[in-house]
Amino acid sequence: QVQLQQSGPGLVKPSQTLSLACTVSGGSVSTIGYYWSWIRQHPGKGLEWIGFMYYSGSTYYSPSLMSRVAISVDPSKNQFSLKLSSVTAADTAVYFCARGGTYYYDGRAYSALDSWGQGTQVTVSS
Amino acid sequence: DIQMTQSPSSLSASVGDRVTITCRASQSIDNYLNWYQQKPGKAPKFLIYAASSLQSGVPSRFSGGGSGTDFNLTISSLQFEDFACYYCQQTHTTPYTFGQGTKLEIK
Repeated sequence: QVQLQQSGPGLVKPSQTLSLACTVSGGSVSTIGYYWSWIRQHPGKGLEWIGFMYYSGSTYYSPSLMSRVAISVDPSKNQFSLKLSSVTAADTAVYFCARGGTYYYDGRAYSALDSWGQGTQVTVSS
Repeated sequence: DIQMTQSPSSLSASVGDRVTITCRASQSIDNYLNWYQQKPGKAPKFLIYAASSLQSGVPSRFSGGGSGTDFNLTISSLQFEDFACYYCQQTHTTPYTFGQGTKLEIK
């Protein structure tokens, strides 16, 4: 069973770049059909989709974060990463990595986040 | 972006109760709708895809339905471990937006 282990600093200074990594075990980031996602959750709030990278290298980002976000995959480390630049206090949140899988029903393909990392509390403060 | 609106925002119920949570999309998403369960301090858990298909291992007391813009998640007989927050997510169009969540509390 695939497991995702997050790593990265829990404290980032304003205007700096937030960098988080998610190491995959029990599976490969190069496996066809999967995508590698980041989601965040502001304190006491709901889930916010940040974006994902497909196994093929295509990326999709939230329009509200697109100018500051980058998701990348490193097959040599079996890992994928999030970089969010020019952070402010509004970026303080718990960040989750997740694997997106493809599920078939009635002849059609559906996407869902089926495995998640443990979450990383990131605080933006000087 | 497609907006997802859940109701109610919170719900109090007792063990054994039948509860239904609704999720409405701002435009038609066919049946590209997932449900997740999140407990405090934990990552979400994937429950349902394609609006009504249970992920492997999810108890049969959970069921989902709907298509187009209106969807629901029903728990037929609440168990203690079901008290959590539930989120819907559309995967029809990026960004794959989530509902704001429904907190299910013990009465």
